[in-house]
Amino acid sequence: DIQMTQSPSSLSASVGDRVTITCQASQDIRNYLNWYQQKPGKAPKLLISDATNLQRGVPSRFSGSGSGTDFAFTISSLQPEDIATYYCQQSDNVRTFGQGTKLEIK
Amino acid sequence: QVQLQESGPGLLKPSETLSLTCTVSGGSVRSGSSYWSWIRQPPGKGLEWIGYIYYGGSTNYNPSLKSRLTISIDTSENQFSLKLSSVTAADTAVYYCAREARSLSALDYWGQGTLVTVSS
Repeated sequence: DIQMTQSPSSLSASVGDRVTITCQASQDIRNYLNWYQQKPGKAPKLLISDATNLQRGVPSRFSGSGSGTDFAFTISSLQPEDIATYYCQQSDNVRTFGQGTKLEIK
Repeated sequence: QVQLQESGPGLLKPSETLSLTCTVSGGSVRSGSSYWSWIRQPPGKGLEWIGYIYYGGSTNYNPSLKSRLTISIDTSENQFSLKLSSVTAADTAVYYCAREARSLSALDYWGQGTLVTVSS
C-alpha cells in the first residue's frame, strides 16, 4: 500500500498568514494527489485535485503543488472561515488519506 | 448536482454484519464517469478509504478490510451498498458514501455521513 505522511498534524496561525501543509507519498504517485477540507460535523469537501487543479468555486487563496512523492498545500492568506482539518489523499491505486492537519487560529 | 444519502442501522453488536445503502440522486450509478465509494471516520480520528464499485461491477477494496467487505450496486434502485462482516468496536465510525469522478480521480460529491456504533 502507498502510505501518505502529512505534516504537521496541527497548526496554529494568525489571520492573514501564509500556511503550508505537506504530504509525502511512500512511492511515486505522479500527480494523483487531492486535498480536502473538513469542518466539524461535516463531510469533507474537495478543494484541489490532481495536485494543482483548484476546484470550481474554491477561493484562489488555496493552491497545491508537487508531483511524484512530495506535495504541498498552501493558503496564501489565512481567513477565519479556513479553520478546519485538511487531508491529502492519493488516488494512484488503492486510495489512502494522510493523517490530517488541524488548522486553528492563533 | 449529484446528491448521496446513506441509510442503515446505527447500532450493531460485535460479530454482526454492517449493512449500509447509499441512494444517489441527480445522477446515475450507471454513469461510466464515476466510481461509487465508501469512506469511514472513527470518532475524533482521520479518514479511511474503504473501497469503490464501478457500474460494471468491478471493485477496488482497502486490503485491510477486503476479507470482510462487499460493495455492490443496484442500478434499478440507483443505489450502491456496503456490507462489512464480523464487526468489532474498531469498526465504530461515521460512514460516508461518495462519488469519485474518474476524470478527477477525486471524491467530488459526498453524503452527509451516518454514525455506526458497534457495542455489546
